[in-house]
Amino acid sequence: QKEVEQDPGPLSVPEGAIVSLNCTYSNSAFQYFMWYRQYSRKGPELLMYTYSSGNKEDGRFTAQVDKSSKYISLFIRDSQPSDSATYLCAMSAAGGTSYGKLTFGQGTILTVHP
Amino acid sequence: KAGVTQTPRYLIKTRGQQVTLSCSPISGHRSVSWYQQTPGQGLQFLFEYFSETQRNKGNFPGRFSGRQFSNSRSEMNVSTLELGDSALYLCASSLVGGLQETQYFGPGTRLLVL
Repeated sequence: QKEVEQDPGPLSVPEGAIVSLNCTYSNSAFQYFMWYRQYSRKGPELLMYTYSSGNKEDGRFTAQVDKSSKYISLFIRDSQPSDSATYLCAMSAAGGTSYGKLTFGQGTILTVHP
Repeated sequence: KAGVTQTPRYLIKTRGQQVTLSCSPISGHRSVSWYQQTPGQGLQFLFEYFSETQRNKGNFPGRFSGRQFSNSRSEMNVSTLELGDSALYLCASSLVGGLQETQYFGPGTRLLVL
């Protein structure tokens, strides 16, 4: 079983829809949670970064972390065709063996059609 | 500030050959992490270097190796290439590789093994 599970989709929504992306994890040592966006033929770029349980909002994006359930979410409001990309959740764990290591979900392919 | 750069962007090799990929981190960043991205396995951590020392290593065979130079630039090498090594190889840099730090990714090197 993978440490981080993410539904790969694909997910197709109309422009303006609210998109919900989710990941579950099994390693209780994960403390920092990130969402990256990756366009085709590009490297991942950081969208959201959270530490504690709760919500964090940045423009049209809201990240939620529920450590008790080992569940994280990313919501995209008023989705745009330019949001079409692969969304990757990533996590980092405490401990000396965690230097420079992010553990990623499989990624969800999102298409927003006009 | 310039981002993470990777060279070459594309490579075609045949089985049994070896390959060297290069990564230049963001100026001032001393930690460089390498990842392999494939459709089946997603993004997987290869190793991390800091101050010319490998501090962390993922679950990859010894054919995968790397090094870091005094200017923080890093190279990774794959010897005796196999078809399954075809992937997008990404490097990411951060200041010191702490678990709470953001990693910034390069565009990747796409390797095709024939």
